[in-house]
Amino acid sequence: GAGVSQSPSNKVTEKGKDVELRCDPISGHTALYWYRQSLGQGLEFLIYFQGNSAPDKSGLPSDRFSAERTGGSVSTLTIQRTQQEDSAVYLCASSLVSQNNQPQHFGDGTRLSIL
Amino acid sequence: QQQVKQSPQSLIVQKGGIPIINCAYENTAFDYFPWYQQFPGKGPALLIAIRPDVSEKKEGRFTISFNKSAKQFSLHIMDSQPGDSATYFCAAREGSNFGNEKLTFGTGTRLTIIP
Repeated sequence: GAGVSQSPSNKVTEKGKDVELRCDPISGHTALYWYRQSLGQGLEFLIYFQGNSAPDKSGLPSDRFSAERTGGSVSTLTIQRTQQEDSAVYLCASSLVSQNNQPQHFGDGTRLSIL
Repeated sequence: QQQVKQSPQSLIVQKGGIPIINCAYENTAFDYFPWYQQFPGKGPALLIAIRPDVSEKKEGRFTISFNKSAKQFSLHIMDSQPGDSATYFCAAREGSNFGNEKLTFGTGTRLTIIP
């Protein structure tokens, strides 16, 4: 498909375990964003990647959260020592950055449940 | 601190009616205001967006009204249909962050259109 692909679509894990969430952006999109959507809340920005620039990590809630983007394409969001409050839908988006105000295209998210 | 305040939280409108969703912001550095539509189990999709140099933008049945002095903007859906039932999010982006399109989202409005 031509859209943003996220895997897994659902993840259930025990408190204290580490999890990895994957995002495949749209081919050619240089910008990649991770957001978190908690129940009844809007989307909360986590981290942004653009080309070879240093990522904007200003939204990461704690040092248990980290993300990387290999080869300017696929990204992985890692949550270490998961807590119950980490339960949420994690959404990835990508966009072109050749001009301002390029729309962000979202994947369908990974629903993470921490038991 | 909620930078973009959205209301109402939920809205029920009869088919053919005009639901109106309102958002307000404080950060005068915001210069781009998109609306996203989200169906259950799916990622948000861009619906329509506006910049503060215009007071209104219309695309099909969807209209954004923008009041720069009041720092408010709203979404109107004309001739609403049951298929419009979804959660709607307003968002905003700071103009100073050229190339970083990270968005600040409202908390969402769950819209139900009854036949």
